[in-house]
Amino acid sequence: KAGVTQTPRYLIKTRGQQVTLSCSPISGHRSVSWYQQTPGQGLQFLFEYFSETQRNKGNFPGRFSGRQFSNSRSEMNVSTLELGDSALYLCASSVTGTGLNEQFFGPGTRLTVL
Amino acid sequence: TQLLEQSPQFLSIQEGENLTVYCNSSSVFSSLQWYRQEPGEGPVLLVTVVTGGEVKKLKRLTFQFGDARKDSSLHITAAQPGDTGLYLCAGASGNTGKLIFGQGTTLQVKP
Repeated sequence: KAGVTQTPRYLIKTRGQQVTLSCSPISGHRSVSWYQQTPGQGLQFLFEYFSETQRNKGNFPGRFSGRQFSNSRSEMNVSTLELGDSALYLCASSVTGTGLNEQFFGPGTRLTVL
Repeated sequence: TQLLEQSPQFLSIQEGENLTVYCNSSSVFSSLQWYRQEPGEGPVLLVTVVTGGEVKKLKRLTFQFGDARKDSSLHITAAQPGDTGLYLCAGASGNTGKLIFGQGTTLQVKP
């Protein structure tokens, strides 16, 4: 069974630009969560989607948004990029996102904002 | 706000030594997961503990969930260089679809 895939793996943008990251979950997984990982803050939850609906949201500004498609693939968008948005963005999928909530992570997208 | 505190943050030991990583919270979690992450990759799930007092073993790794389901520990016996990496604990609470992560423990095992 193929794992979680994320594209692109690396991205360099300048302040003020916007970016879209993509995530394909494990086949059969309907829940997709997004996390931001930085050396100072560690892994922080951005949001979770299940059946095309945002079910949970972390404490991030509205510049961070996402969506999920009917095939469970998900995208996240960051508008008006700031230097502090430089981070590793991780996508994780799970069967339902509830119960044991065992999540399986992709390799991440390394975003650098200049 | 639920928080998970992990300690120590950094650990550098010689091959063959034993070590324990702690994960503590004032909140109750329905389950707690341990992940290992290597540079340039996403975290990989090692184990999930669910029941208070539960102990799970994965080869040389022993995971324990506290009786009150607020804390957990990871013990590695006879560490090997291949154990090097970032160890993360993460708590799940109810049916929220969200994991709360500890800050992580960076382990370096020298040959």
